[in-house]
Amino acid sequence: DGGITQSPKYLFRKEGQNVTLSCEQNLNHDAMYWYRQDPGQGLRLIYYSQIVNDFQKGDIAEGYSVSREKKESFPLTVTSAQKNPTAFYLCASSKGHNTEAFFGQGTRLTVV
Amino acid sequence: GESVGLHLPTLSVQEGDNSIINCAYSNSASDYFIWYKQESGKGPQFIIDIRSNMDKRQGQRVTVLLNKTVKHLSLQIAATQPGDSAVYFCAETPNSGYALNFGKGTSLLVTP
Repeated sequence: DGGITQSPKYLFRKEGQNVTLSCEQNLNHDAMYWYRQDPGQGLRLIYYSQIVNDFQKGDIAEGYSVSREKKESFPLTVTSAQKNPTAFYLCASSKGHNTEAFFGQGTRLTVV
Repeated sequence: GESVGLHLPTLSVQEGDNSIINCAYSNSASDYFIWYKQESGKGPQFIIDIRSNMDKRQGQRVTVLLNKTVKHLSLQIAATQPGDSAVYFCAETPNSGYALNFGKGTSLLVTP
């Protein structure tokens, strides 16, 4: 089945530790995105990538880093510089601009 | 700044009734709009999209209306069912942007 896979579903980390969230897609999409969702809120854009080896900051990139070495993969690292990292993280992919974005099932990160 | 927002944070309807969820956007240059449904703990699922050169688009039990004059988007769900209970998000991509910009969401509760 084609789709977008995020892992793990739940993640716990101690404060001050970096953590990497995985996102893989087999839809052959050029564009990939990371969003953050806080309780009762909409989705806020962290980073996006239009093509392999290229990515741009979104609205809330501080404290996060990404890489796009392969078309299928767009991992997100939540660094210790992120002041409030506990949130629901959603990865998405699309064919390109102005097209439907397909979302993964999310990773719920809790930092204690 | 430019934003996408929703008129009603919660909406309660009876099973079988029609539902209307509204969304206001402020960027007159937006040219692509999309509605997503998100169930608790899951990633958003595509419902329907519309481009700025259209004012209406219909899907299965859903209709999206776009009024560019007043910068308003609505989602109509016919014969609402308990399985329609979820949070609904509108999103748009501005002409100058690349990634989807999301509103805060409306919670739809369908009662028997």
